[in-house]
Amino acid sequence: EIVLTQSPATLSLSPGERATLSCRASQIISSYLAWYQQKPGQAPRLLIYEASNRATGIPARFSGSGSGTDFTLIISSLEPEDFAVYYCQQRSNWPFTFGPGTKVDVK
Amino acid sequence: QVQLVESGGGLVKPGGSLRLSCAASGFTFSDYHMNWIRQAPGKGLEWVSYIGRSVSTIYYADSVKGRFTISRDNAKNSLYLQMNSLRAEDTAVYYCARDDYGGKFDHWGQGTLVTVSS
Repeated sequence: EIVLTQSPATLSLSPGERATLSCRASQIISSYLAWYQQKPGQAPRLLIYEASNRATGIPARFSGSGSGTDFTLIISSLEPEDFAVYYCQQRSNWPFTFGPGTKVDVK
Repeated sequence: QVQLVESGGGLVKPGGSLRLSCAASGFTFSDYHMNWIRQAPGKGLEWVSYIGRSVSTIYYADSVKGRFTISRDNAKNSLYLQMNSLRAEDTAVYYCARDDYGGKFDHWGQGTLVTVSS
């Protein structure tokens, strides 16, 4: 099973600041990585797929990069609605696995 | 617009059974793979099971293999999860998720809570 590690566990920032979230895979997964956003009491929402492709309707301030084992999600300038938990997920190998999440909260 | 609505959750005793349903609308259900994904209270996401468009391909997480059965009825635009021999650790919100091409969960339902407790 591919293990995904996310860092940091919590990121405390202010609106307007840049957020950089990391996800590392325990083995090479090419670009088969997605990022999801989850707000309290809501279902997750797909943000980025295949490491760098924004999903439909996702604002341009969200960008993804990386391949192999190291991946990054960047939120260029945090909006109030961006404070949430972010999960990475791999689809390279069965079973599909998720990282433990990074919580982005208000500083 | 794409809608996924789960139902069937509730309180069940350890060892009991429950059947979850997911009603899909707003897209051609038979064109998409489907998944069940769960989230224990206060915890992260765990993929549970996958079923291909044509039902020919099915996968399960090791944690539920032999106890859970995924199925779909393309004529009824519905996805199901039969859960047997339930354990306390199966307590979670269960989401159904549309799958664009094997692991890209592009739409999710609102979830249904399953609580396993005596």
